Amino acid sequence: DGGITQSPKYLFRKEGQNVTLSCEQNLNHDAMYWYRQDPGQGLRLIYYSQIVNDFQKGDIAEGYSVSREKKESFPLTVTSAQKNPTAFYLCASRKDDTTYGYTFGSGTRLTVV
Amino acid sequence: QKEVEQNSGPLSVPEGAIASLNCTYSDRVSQSFFWYRQYSGKSPELIMSIYSNGDKEDGRFTAQLNKASQYVSLLIRDSQPSDSATYLCAVRHGGGGNKLTFGTGTQLKVEL
Repeated sequence: DGGITQSPKYLFRKEGQNVTLSCEQNLNHDAMYWYRQDPGQGLRLIYYSQIVNDFQKGDIAEGYSVSREKKESFPLTVTSAQKNPTAFYLCASRKDDTTYGYTFGSGTRLTVV
Repeated sequence: QKEVEQNSGPLSVPEGAIASLNCTYSDRVSQSFFWYRQYSGKSPELIMSIYSNGDKEDGRFTAQLNKASQYVSLLIRDSQPSDSATYLCAVRHGGGGNKLTFGTGTQLKVEL
């Protein structure tokens, strides 16, 4: 079955450490997105990519980095510059020529320890 | 100023009743509107999309859009306990990237 796979499901980060969240899709979708969800704040856009080797900052890109070397993959790195990284991270994708709705992965819950 | 506004709830309705969830948005050039359902600890699931003024029905769900009033709503008929979740309103606004802006969600509780 096609879908979006995020890994790991739970991730713990120590102070000053960089961590990378994986997002892989086999839906042949063109665009991919990373959102962060905090309680009571809804989903906030971190980065997005419409084509391979190109990506743009969202509303809260500081302290994060991404790459899009393959159509299927859009990993997110949470760097030590992100001072409050504890959140639920959601990856989504969308096919350009169909519905504009996103398909979400199952999410990664990141906690600073 | 928030671009997409929702009442956080919780909205409590008895089983079998109609649940009415509301959303307002600020960007007048917004063209596409979506409702997602999110169970606690899970990722959002798309349940309805609407692009033109009026009503769109899909099973027990009806989405309503009024672009003049910048208002979109979701009605759930014959509410079931399994409908208890947070409902997120999302709006695709003008500009590149076809990005969605999400409201903070309305928590719905369907009581037996």
